[in-house]
Amino acid sequence: EDKVVQSPLSLVVHEGDTVTLNCSYEVTNFRSLLWYKQEKKAPTFLFMLTSSGIEKKSGRLSSILDKKELFSILNITATQTGDSAVYLCAVDNTDKLIFGTGTRLQVFP
Amino acid sequence: EPEVTQTPSHQVTQMGQEVILRCVPISNHLYFYWYRQILGQKVEFLVSFYNNEISEKSEIFDDQFSVERPDGSNFTLKIRSTKLEDSAMYFCASSEFLPQALTNYGYTFGSGTRLTVV
Repeated sequence: EDKVVQSPLSLVVHEGDTVTLNCSYEVTNFRSLLWYKQEKKAPTFLFMLTSSGIEKKSGRLSSILDKKELFSILNITATQTGDSAVYLCAVDNTDKLIFGTGTRLQVFP
Repeated sequence: EPEVTQTPSHQVTQMGQEVILRCVPISNHLYFYWYRQILGQKVEFLVSFYNNEISEKSEIFDDQFSVERPDGSNFTLKIRSTKLEDSAMYFCASSEFLPQALTNYGYTFGSGTRLTVV
């Protein structure tokens, strides 16, 4: 059965800290891995990763995929209170997205 | 930036009633999806739709559920006889993926409809 596992489930940090969120997967017909940020409602797109070893960056956020070991990490440097959210990892198996349970990040001033 | 829009944002209905959730996907997208998220749980796939037909559906998407693209712009999810356990946030999503091609977008989600069945 296809599955996506995220860790940790929850993370509490202070502003300025750096965090690493993990996502491992076992999915047939892998096409891509996506990271989303979910605050109150809709998941908002962060990154799509298809190739191993190529880091994607957007400001203080970066992500990388390892297709051999079947995992991805999402890094956030110099965290801010506005980074507080649930971060979702999802794998596209060509038919649909399979989501992990998410990592709830809380950033305190 | 293009958006997927969903209406209503919140719907309360009595058990056994029919509901229709509406979505307007991004205009040049080809693939359309419904996902749901029960409070405190993970986002779950319901159905995907391409070329005016269902391409895949999950075990959740039983005979009580149906989808339609009635007029080339709207994409609807109908639940014929709602149950208490249908209470969830329902997300519509669209993507411009073709089977052989990838873009840098990923899927775009709407802001969701919170369905409460009482």
